[in-house]
Amino acid sequence: EAQVTQNPRYLITVTGKKLTVTCSQNMNHEYMSWYRQDPGLGLRQIYYSMNVEVTDKGDVPEGYKVSRKEKRNFPLILESPSPNQTSLYFCASRRLQGGSEQYFGPGTRLTVT
Amino acid sequence: DAKTTQPNSMESNEEEPVHLPCNHSTISGTDYIHWYRQLPSQGPEYVIHGLTSNVNNRMASLAIAEDRKSSTLILHRATLRDAAVYYCILSASNTGKLIFGQGTTLQVKP
Repeated sequence: EAQVTQNPRYLITVTGKKLTVTCSQNMNHEYMSWYRQDPGLGLRQIYYSMNVEVTDKGDVPEGYKVSRKEKRNFPLILESPSPNQTSLYFCASRRLQGGSEQYFGPGTRLTVT
Repeated sequence: DAKTTQPNSMESNEEEPVHLPCNHSTISGTDYIHWYRQLPSQGPEYVIHGLTSNVNNRMASLAIAEDRKSSTLILHRATLRDAAVYYCILSASNTGKLIFGQGTTLQVKP
C-alpha cells in the first residue's frame, strides 16, 4: 500500500530537549516536504526536498532542520524546541513532475512545555 | 507566490451537488490548480488537479475558467463523508511547492 508514515504520532516534550520526527514513504517519490498546521493559519511549509541531499527552506524554517540522506526518509529535527513549535506536523511526498498528487502522512501532534 | 481566495464555509444538503469556488487572480501560466480536502483528525487528501482544461475523476470535477483566474470544485452528490475542509491550492510547476490557504469548511446536512 502506498503510504507516508510518521513517528511518533503524539509527542509531549520540554523546552530545549532535542527531538526528531521521522517520515518515510514507499512510493519512490523524489519530492518530500514538511508542513505545520496551526489554528487560523492553515498549513505552512517548513522545508522541502526535491531529491537526495537537496533540501530547501519553505515559509517557516526557523527552529527546524531536515536531512535527506535516503530517498525514502525525510526526518524533521528540532534541535532546541520551544513552546511556539507546539503544532500539528505533516510530512508529504510526491513525484517531481509538475502537477503530481501529493500524499500526506497521518500527522504528528507535538506539544512543547 | 500566487494566492487563492475561498469562502470560509459552505453548506449543502446530502445527495445534492456542491460547487466550491476559488479565486486565483495572480496565477502564473505554469501553476497547476490543486484541490485537497482534510477530514477531522486526518492529513490532507488529494481530490483533483488541473492546468487549463476541465478535469473529472471518481471523486469530483474541476471546472477552470478560461482566463484561469478562478476555478470550481464540483462534488456531484454530496454525502455526509464529504464534510471536510477543502483547500484550493496553486502548485508551482518548477518547485512543486503547495501554498495552502484557509480553505472552505463544507458542512453536509442529512
